[in-house]
Amino acid sequence: EAQVTQNPRYLITVTGKKLTVTCSQNMNHEYMSWYRQDPGLGLRQIYYSMNVEVTDKGDVPEGYKVSRKEKRNFPLILESPSPNQTSLYFCASSPAAVRETQYFGPGTRLLVL
Amino acid sequence: GENVEQHPSTLSVQEGDSAVIKCTYSDSASNYFPWYKQELGKGPQLIIDIRSNVGEKKDQRIAVTLNKTAKHFSLHITETQPEDSAVYFCAASPNYGGATNKLIFGTGTLLAVQP
Repeated sequence: EAQVTQNPRYLITVTGKKLTVTCSQNMNHEYMSWYRQDPGLGLRQIYYSMNVEVTDKGDVPEGYKVSRKEKRNFPLILESPSPNQTSLYFCASSPAAVRETQYFGPGTRLLVL
Repeated sequence: GENVEQHPSTLSVQEGDSAVIKCTYSDSASNYFPWYKQELGKGPQLIIDIRSNVGEKKDQRIAVTLNKTAKHFSLHITETQPEDSAVYFCAASPNYGGATNKLIFGTGTLLAVQP
């Protein structure tokens, strides 16, 4: 089944404890991105990647890192999480560009205490 | 940069009625406008999109209209059904500088269809 998977789905952590949220797609898509969803703010793009080893900042990249070593994987790294990073995170992918159907993962709900 | 405003934030309609959600954007060069539907506990899913060279697009009960002069686009759902209840997001893809690979979303509309 063609899909985008994220792990973990739920995570509670404490301030400053490094964490990684994994994202994987099995559709051979080139474009991948991360969003955060907050009440009243909609979806905001954190980082995106056009292809392997090509990443760029979205609108809210502060406090996050990403890597794209393989085409299928695009992990989101929080080196030192803070409470304002408590949010619902979505990974998405598309065949080649942002102006195509974005296939979203199921989301990861993160709580930083 | 691009800014997308979406209204209303909540919308309640009776089953069978029509629903309209409106969005405005700021970058006149934006050229791609998708609409996503997010059901409870799931990720958003594309329902329809429109490009700047087209004024209207339909897919069964769903239609999107684009007014480039006024920089706004709208989602129209006719004959609403309870399964249309969800959060709907509009988005725009800017077309300037380093933003051509970004997608800017509106703040979402919670649509409730009352049976």
